[in-house]
Amino acid sequence: QVQLVESGGGVVQPGGSLRLSCAASGFTFSTYAMHWVRQAPGKGLEWVALIRFDGTNKHYIDSVKGRFTVSRDNSKDTLYLNMARLTTEDTAVYYCAKAQSRYLDWNPLEYWGRGTLVTVSS
Amino acid sequence: AIQMTQSPSSLSASVGDRVTITCRASEGIRDDLGWYQQKPGKAPKLLIYAASNLHSGVPSRFSGSGSGTHFTLTISSLQPDDFATYYCLQDYSFPYTFGQGTKLEIK
Repeated sequence: QVQLVESGGGVVQPGGSLRLSCAASGFTFSTYAMHWVRQAPGKGLEWVALIRFDGTNKHYIDSVKGRFTVSRDNSKDTLYLNMARLTTEDTAVYYCAKAQSRYLDWNPLEYWGRGTLVTVSS
Repeated sequence: AIQMTQSPSSLSASVGDRVTITCRASEGIRDDLGWYQQKPGKAPKLLIYAASNLHSGVPSRFSGSGSGTHFTLTISSLQPDDFATYYCLQDYSFPYTFGQGTKLEIK
C-alpha cells in the first residue's frame, strides 16, 4: 500500500534553514507529481508546492517563493523541501502528498503522509 | 489566486442527521474540486474528487455535487466516525487553495 513518511522537522531559529524529506513506497514514485501542504498549529490547511513527476515543473505559493525549493530523487523514491530564511509564520506541520493520476500536474492529492513538525522560534 | 469560501465554519449535528457543507470558488473551476476529511492529529484523507466522484474505500453516505463556482459535500446519515474537520480544495489552477474548513461536532 502507499506509504509516505516525512522527516527532517525540528526547531530552527528565525532566518535559519531546514530540509524536509518524504520517503515514498508502495507505488511507482517516478510517475506521480508530489505536493507539500502545511498546517500551522490550530489552523487550516495551506498548499505549499508541487513538483512534476519528472522534476521539470514546479509551483509554489507566493509566500515561499524564493525561500523554499521542492525537489525529488526518483532513484531514491524521495521528495524534498529545502526551506531557507524561515520565519515564525512558517511554523507548521508539513505533509507530503501524492497526486492521484500519473503524469498529470493538475489533480487531487490522493494520499498523504503523517507530517513532520517545523517550529521556527528563537 | 482563487479563493475558496467554505461554510459553515462549524456545525453541530447528531448521529443519523443529514448534513451539507458548501464551498464557493471566486472564479469558475469546472469540477476540479476535492473534499478532504481530517481528524485531530491525523493526516487529511481524500473523500471526493472531481466534485462528485467517491474515492476508493469511502462510504457511500458521502456525496459531492456542483461545478463552476458552487460545490457541496453531503453526508446522508452521520456516523460517529464522521465527526471531523472537512476541507475543500480546488485543483484547477496553481496555487491550489483550500477552504477554511468545517468542524463537524457532535450535538
